[in-house]
Amino acid sequence: DTAVSQTPKYLVTQMGNDKSIKCEQNLGHDTMYWYKQDSKKFLKIMFSYNNKELIINETVPNRFSPKSPDKAHLNLHINSLELGDSAVYFCASSAQGRNEQFFGPGTRLTVL
Amino acid sequence: AQRVTQPEKLLSVFKGAPVELKCNYSYSGSPELFWYVQYSRQRLQLLLRHISRESIKGFTADLNKGETSFHLKKPFAQEEDSAMYYCALTLNYGGATNKLIFGTGTLLAVQP
Repeated sequence: DTAVSQTPKYLVTQMGNDKSIKCEQNLGHDTMYWYKQDSKKFLKIMFSYNNKELIINETVPNRFSPKSPDKAHLNLHINSLELGDSAVYFCASSAQGRNEQFFGPGTRLTVL
Repeated sequence: AQRVTQPEKLLSVFKGAPVELKCNYSYSGSPELFWYVQYSRQRLQLLLRHISRESIKGFTADLNKGETSFHLKKPFAQEEDSAMYYCALTLNYGGATNKLIFGTGTLLAVQP
């Protein structure tokens, strides 16, 4: 099944904790992204990697650190979680030279 | 600055009625625009892109550069069309990657 997958699907944690969300794509794409969808359903890009190289970093607090061990994976590590980090985080990927992005199912993060 | 505006947060129509979801953009270059759809608790999926000029699930969208609009239309709404619709503008980063700028989304509710 070719797709973009994310784990976990749901993540509930306490303020101040550190957590990671994993993303994998088996579409052979070169570029991967992280988006945040807030409680008002507004979607905004956070990061983009192309072949393991950071290309886009949108004024995201440095508590958020993406890591791309290879071009099929882009993980998101968040330190010192805050209430405002509660959101749905979507991973996406796209092929070189193509603008269509394919999205993962999302990870719903709830910080208590 | 690049921006995508969707003026309606919610659009409620009856089954069989025509639908028009509005999208306006602000971009100094040559735009590439998309419509993405998110059904309840599902991932975002690409619905339409302006360069392909196709009809998907009965939806069409025409790019109007004079009015800087890319409205999504369907002549007869179906209940299964109920979803969140996002208009998006893509910005290229030298071909290596691109960034999607999303509108705030319009929730389409089709009543029986």
